[in-house]
Amino acid sequence: DARVTQTPRDKVTEMGQEVTMRCQPILGHNTVFWYRQTMMQGLELLAYFRNRAPLDDSGMPKDRFSAEMPDATLATLKIQPSEPRDSAVYFCASGFLFGNEQFFGPGTRLTVL
Amino acid sequence: GESVGLHLPTLSVQEGDNSIINCAYSNSASDYFIWYKQESGKGPQFIIDIRSNMDKRQGQRVTVLLNKTVKHLSLQIAATQPGDSAVYFCAENPQAGTALIFGKGTTLSVSS
Repeated sequence: DARVTQTPRDKVTEMGQEVTMRCQPILGHNTVFWYRQTMMQGLELLAYFRNRAPLDDSGMPKDRFSAEMPDATLATLKIQPSEPRDSAVYFCASGFLFGNEQFFGPGTRLTVL
Repeated sequence: GESVGLHLPTLSVQEGDNSIINCAYSNSASDYFIWYKQESGKGPQFIIDIRSNMDKRQGQRVTVLLNKTVKHLSLQIAATQPGDSAVYFCAENPQAGTALIFGKGTTLSVSS
C-alpha cells in the first residue's frame, strides 16, 4: 500500500554539522508538509509545499533551515548548521489539495549533540 | 471510563469500556477539525474529521462531537481495545488542504 517514506529514520550528529532529511510523498499527492515534534512544543508546522512550490515556511528558522522539492517524488529538509535545540522528530506528510487527511511518514529522529 | 474536564494528558480505561477524549480549540474560523492517533515510534494517523457546520460525525467505533459554542471537540471510542492505546491529537485545519494546527495530545492506556 502507498506510504510516505522518510530517510534516515535516526540521525545522531554533532553541533555545527549539516543534516539533510528526505521524504518521498505518496505518488499523486500534491501537497507536502514538514512537521517537527518535541515534548515541549508538540507537533508544529515547519513548511509546506503545493505542486512543489513553497506555500508557507513561517514555522522554519530560515537562517539555518531550508526545505525544497527538487521533484514531485522528493522533498528535503536541511539544517545547516545544526544545534542541540534542533533535536526532535521530524515528520513529513503528504495529501491532496482539498483533503483533510494527511498521510504521515515514520519520522526522522534527530539528535544533535 | 470517561475523561473529565477539557483536556487530560492521560486517560486510563479498561478494555471494553467507552473512552472520551476531549480537546479545546482556539480558532473559531477553522473549517475542519480532525483527530489523529499516534502509536509509539510512528507518525500520526488520521482517524476522523468533522466540518465546522456539523456537530457530530460517526465512524467505525469512533464518534466525534463538535461544540462550537464552547470551542470543544471530543472523540468517543466505543468498546476500547488494547490496540487503541496511543496518543490522540486533535487538530484544526483552517482550510482543507492547508497545514494542521495540532493540540496537546492525550495518552490513552487500555488495560485488559
